[in-house]
Amino acid sequence: GENVEQHPSTLSVQEGDSAVIKCTYSDSASNYFPWYKQELGKGPQLIIDIRSNVGEKKDQRIAVTLNKTAKHFSLHITETQPEDSAVYFCAAGGTNAGKSTFGDGTTLTVKP
Amino acid sequence: DGGITQSPKYLFRKEGQNVTLSCEQNLNHDAMYWYRQDPGQGLRLIYYSQIVNDFQKGDIAEGYSVSREKKESFPLTVTSAQKNPTAFYLCASSITGARSNQPQHFGDGTRLSIL
Repeated sequence: GENVEQHPSTLSVQEGDSAVIKCTYSDSASNYFPWYKQELGKGPQLIIDIRSNVGEKKDQRIAVTLNKTAKHFSLHITETQPEDSAVYFCAAGGTNAGKSTFGDGTTLTVKP
Repeated sequence: DGGITQSPKYLFRKEGQNVTLSCEQNLNHDAMYWYRQDPGQGLRLIYYSQIVNDFQKGDIAEGYSVSREKKESFPLTVTSAQKNPTAFYLCASSITGARSNQPQHFGDGTRLSIL
């Protein structure tokens, strides 16, 4: 089955700096890669996703890049703000019906 | 507003008891999922359902049971066979489960603790 590894597990940045979180996946047939943000005591919320026919996608301060050959994808957050502090999860899916595989999460702390 | 409602937010169970966690969605989504989240870990899939009256085991189904009698509802029962039930439980839905290539919408979870 699919295996997703996410790094780093914790990340601390100064407000205004950029943050990068990386994920690798094992199943070359995976074709859908969402990123979720989870705030304390809440459920994860989709912040951006990318499909395998696209190499990069951007939404304001958030961008995701995908390297299908190397089987890794990354989340980039620019001009970080304290409200970006949360746990971020990557996932890979699109093959097995109904099943996506999640990374273990990255706790991002943005210091004011 | 459309969304997923999980209840209760906090739940306490005595040893040997079964408890049922509620999950309701009004998004008209076909697929629904249950995940377990432990501190410092990712989301582990317990059960999922692609359509009414059908469901499949996920990666950690032992000690859990589900039903999907209505499109809107996907309750999870934590049975006494689950020896370590203390965790944060998340329910999610997606438009279709035919391929796992659609975003999932999550509820705000139920935190289950053992008394």
